Amino acid sequence: ETGVTQSPTHLIKTRGQQVTLRCSSQSGHNTVSWYQQALGQGPQFIFQYYREEENGRGNFPPRFSGLQFPNYSSELNVNALELDDSALYLCASSFRDRGPKAKNIQYFGAGTRLSVL
Amino acid sequence: GNSVTQMEGPVTLSEEAFLTINCTYTATGYPSLFWYVQYPGEGLQLLLKATKADDKGSNKGFEATYRKETTSFHLEKGSVQVSDSAVYFCALSGIGNQFYFGTGTSLTVIP
Repeated sequence: ETGVTQSPTHLIKTRGQQVTLRCSSQSGHNTVSWYQQALGQGPQFIFQYYREEENGRGNFPPRFSGLQFPNYSSELNVNALELDDSALYLCASSFRDRGPKAKNIQYFGAGTRLSVL
Repeated sequence: GNSVTQMEGPVTLSEEAFLTINCTYTATGYPSLFWYVQYPGEGLQLLLKATKADDKGSNKGFEATYRKETTSFHLEKGSVQVSDSAVYFCALSGIGNQFYFGTGTSLTVIP
């Protein structure tokens, strides 16, 4: 148990729809990162939120967006869903010290499996 | 840029066999290195880590040594068990704590 919870666990959507995924970070953590894991692949970094601001983004289009709330929980929003968005979406939380070179362990939730039909 | 290359699977071993899963990396600066394990239907669990060159991470009989000269972080276990069957991911953490993962290596241990 990592203390990171994600909801929902499974979701089915159709092309063009919008989806919101949620993540509650581990107590005491101030950073949340989101990853997309396609079947048979490793997780790909989407973006990271630190103290409610986006703090780094991977190679994903703007229709992938996020939020972090004052309690450090987070949402991932995906607009205009495409078939290739079908994947396991993982949230990871960590505690980051001040400074750009802080390197801390990330603790992962069990993920939300999104199917786009 | 940062990237991780892992040995392709799947790997099938008999119980008590020796395990090696190769991992090499490319990174700017001095990354931290990790092995994560993913059991079916679950998220990723940290298995072990190393934060600087020559560090050895170890946990549950698994070991990996951070080799800067060969840019490698190979995972080893002397005697695998059926319960070790899972997918193993090598990862690095660069500046800003952004993680880069390999494609994963599936391990099946048969009795």
